Amino acid sequence: DTGVSQNPRHKITKRGQNVTFRCDPISEHNRLYWYRQTLGQGPEFLTYFQNEAQLEKSRLLSDRFSAERPKGSFSTLEIQRTEQGDSAMYLCASSFRGAGYSPLHFGNGTRLTVT
Amino acid sequence: AQSVAQPEDQVNVAEGNPLTVKCTYSVSGNPYLFWYVQYPNRGLQFLLKYITGDNLVKGSYGFEAEFNKSQTSFHLKKPSALVSDSALYFCAVRVLHGSSNTGKLIFGQGTTLQVKP
Repeated sequence: DTGVSQNPRHKITKRGQNVTFRCDPISEHNRLYWYRQTLGQGPEFLTYFQNEAQLEKSRLLSDRFSAERPKGSFSTLEIQRTEQGDSAMYLCASSFRGAGYSPLHFGNGTRLTVT
Repeated sequence: AQSVAQPEDQVNVAEGNPLTVKCTYSVSGNPYLFWYVQYPNRGLQFLLKYITGDNLVKGSYGFEAEFNKSQTSFHLKKPSALVSDSALYFCAVRVLHGSSNTGKLIFGQGTTLQVKP
C-alpha cells in the first residue's frame, strides 16, 4: 500500500492558463474523490468516481473544471482559464466500496497558486 | 441536509493534560462520523470513525471519540496531550442521498490544536 499519490505537489500559473493535476489512488480502491481546500477551511467536495464512472459533481465544479478517470485507475482534474479564485489545495482521496465502510484515504494534495 | 460544526477555531492545552476537540452534527438517519488530522502541507490522515456500537470509539495515536446521540455530538479526546499532537483536526459526516451511498464526506471547518510544552 503506497498510499494516494498526487502530482504535482505545487503549481504556479498565470491567470487564464490551463492546468491539469493527476491522482493515483490506492490500487485496489474503486472509489475516487476530488476535494478543494482553501486556507482556514475544511475540504469541500468537488466530484466522485466509482471505477471509471463520474457519478456526482458539486455545484462548485464550474464548466471550467473537468475530471476524468479513463480506466478506473488514475484520475486527472483539469482547470481551464484559471482565475485567482481557483487558488487552493486540491485533494484527492480514494476508498474501497465493499462490505462495511472504508474510510477515505487522502493524498498530500496539489497546491495551486494563480497569479 | 447533513452538516458538521466545529465551534472552536483553536484549542490550547498544556502537554500532559487531557484534550477535547468538539464536533456537533446534523444528519437524517444514523450518522457515520469521522475524525481526520492534517499536518502542514499534507493531506488528511484518518484517526477514527463511528458507525455503530459502543459510543466510545478508539483510534490512532491514543485518540478516542465519544458519540452522544442526544446531544448530536462526536467530541475527540485524548487523556494526555503531546506537543506532536499539534495540528489541524477535522470532523466529518458521511452524506446519504436517499438510498444512495457514495461514501462522500462533508467536513467541518477545522480546529487547530496547539499543545504547549
